[in-house]
Amino acid sequence: SQTIHQWPATLVQPVGSPLSLECTVEGTSNPNLYWYRQAAGRGLQLLFYSVGIGQISSEVPQNLSASRPQDRQFILSSKKLLLSDSGFYLCAWKGLGQNSNQPQHFGDGTRLSIL
Amino acid sequence: KNQVEQSPQSLIILEGKNCTLQCNYTVSPFSNLRWYKQDTGRGPVSLTIMTFSENTKSNGRYTATLDADTKQSSLHITASQLSDSASYICVVSKWTDKLIFGTGTRLQVFP
Repeated sequence: SQTIHQWPATLVQPVGSPLSLECTVEGTSNPNLYWYRQAAGRGLQLLFYSVGIGQISSEVPQNLSASRPQDRQFILSSKKLLLSDSGFYLCAWKGLGQNSNQPQHFGDGTRLSIL
Repeated sequence: KNQVEQSPQSLIILEGKNCTLQCNYTVSPFSNLRWYKQDTGRGPVSLTIMTFSENTKSNGRYTATLDADTKQSSLHITASQLSDSASYICVVSKWTDKLIFGTGTRLQVFP
């Protein structure tokens, strides 16, 4: 069966520090991968998605970047964190070729707090 | 503007009671509507997905309805259990596979 892992589960970082959040998927090949941010009282916001190694699409301009160095690995990064980067970050995957009526499967997220 | 609005924002019910959560959307072009359950500190888990032609879909004690004409959906929970305490998120998908998320309804079930 397919599983998705995110780490760390929680992270507290000072303003201006770098960031690296990792997401890996097991049990599937060539998945579509997604990074979302969930702010308190707001719906999930799509940050990045990837349809293959090295292929990254950004949905909103921001202080963050994403990379996909391997087929089932998706990394969210920042060189200098801002207070506004605080939030709950969720990684999701969807099988390649699956039509839009198939769900995205989410990891358990990373709670990021910027001090 | 593509929007998904959910009501109520929060809801408290007693164990064993039924409840209904509402979702209105203005997303176009519409592909499907999903309900997710999100436990505190966890990622969302898919409950149901309905396409334009589907009016109702059940998953155990969860029953979702869709009225594509009025662009409304509801999620009905029967005989609630303590484990139903969570946020329930309505998500509408466009033909482009872009997802529009509601802000969720936070449900608390008390004994």
